[in-house]
Amino acid sequence: EDQVTQSPEALRLQEGESSSLNCSYTVSGLRGLFWYRQDPGKGPEFLFTLYSAGEEKEKERLKATLTKKESFLHITAPKPEDSATYLCAVQGIIQGAQKLVFGQGTRLTINP
Amino acid sequence: GAGVSQSPSNKVTEKGKDVELRCDPISGHTALYWYRQRLGQGLEFLIYFQGNSAPDKSGLPSDRFSAERTGESVSTLTIQRTQQEDSAVYLCASSLRGSGDTQYFGPGTRLTVL
Repeated sequence: EDQVTQSPEALRLQEGESSSLNCSYTVSGLRGLFWYRQDPGKGPEFLFTLYSAGEEKEKERLKATLTKKESFLHITAPKPEDSATYLCAVQGIIQGAQKLVFGQGTRLTINP
Repeated sequence: GAGVSQSPSNKVTEKGKDVELRCDPISGHTALYWYRQRLGQGLEFLIYFQGNSAPDKSGLPSDRFSAERTGESVSTLTIQRTQQEDSAVYLCASSLRGSGDTQYFGPGTRLTVL
C-alpha cells in the first residue's frame, strides 16, 4: 500500500530563517509526487509536481527536490505570508490508481 | 479561468438526515475526485470519476455514501443517514485527464453532524 510520512508535524521559524520540510514515501511505482499549500479554511493550493528522482522545481522562495525515497521542500528566507500547512502526496503507477495518497502535512509558522 | 467550485461552503445537519454536496469542476477537465479531511488529519480519497463513470470507488467508507456525475460536469456526493463521524471537510478536485495530471482543489464543504 502506498504511504506518505511528513516531518516535522509543525515547524516554527523566524522570518528569514531557511529550513526544509521532509516527505518520505513508499509507492509501487511513482507516477508523480505533488506538493500543495493549504491555508486555514481553504482547499489545497497546487505548488509543484515532480516525476522522477533528481528532478527539482522552484517557485519564489520554495524549491522542491525528489529522490527515490523522499522529497524535500526547501524554504529560503521565508516571510510571514509563507505560514501555512504544506501537504505532500503521491500518485502510484498501478493501473487505475488515479488517487492521491497524502501525508498528514507540516504546519509551518513564520514569525516576523 | 474559474477554478473548482463547491456548494454549500458549510452544512450543519442532524444525525440521521441525508445531505447532498455539489462540485463544479474546471471546464474541460474529464477527471473528478472527492476527498475527505477530518479535523487534524490528512486527506482521504473517496471516489474518482472519468467522465460520468466511476472506475474507482474504493475510498467510500460505507454504503451510506454515493456519488454521481453528469457527463464531464457537475458531481454530487450524497451521504444518507448521516452520523457524527461523517463530520469533516469534503474536498473536490479535478484534473485535465487523470494519470499524472495535477489535481486542482475546490474550497471544500464543511459538514457538521449534530
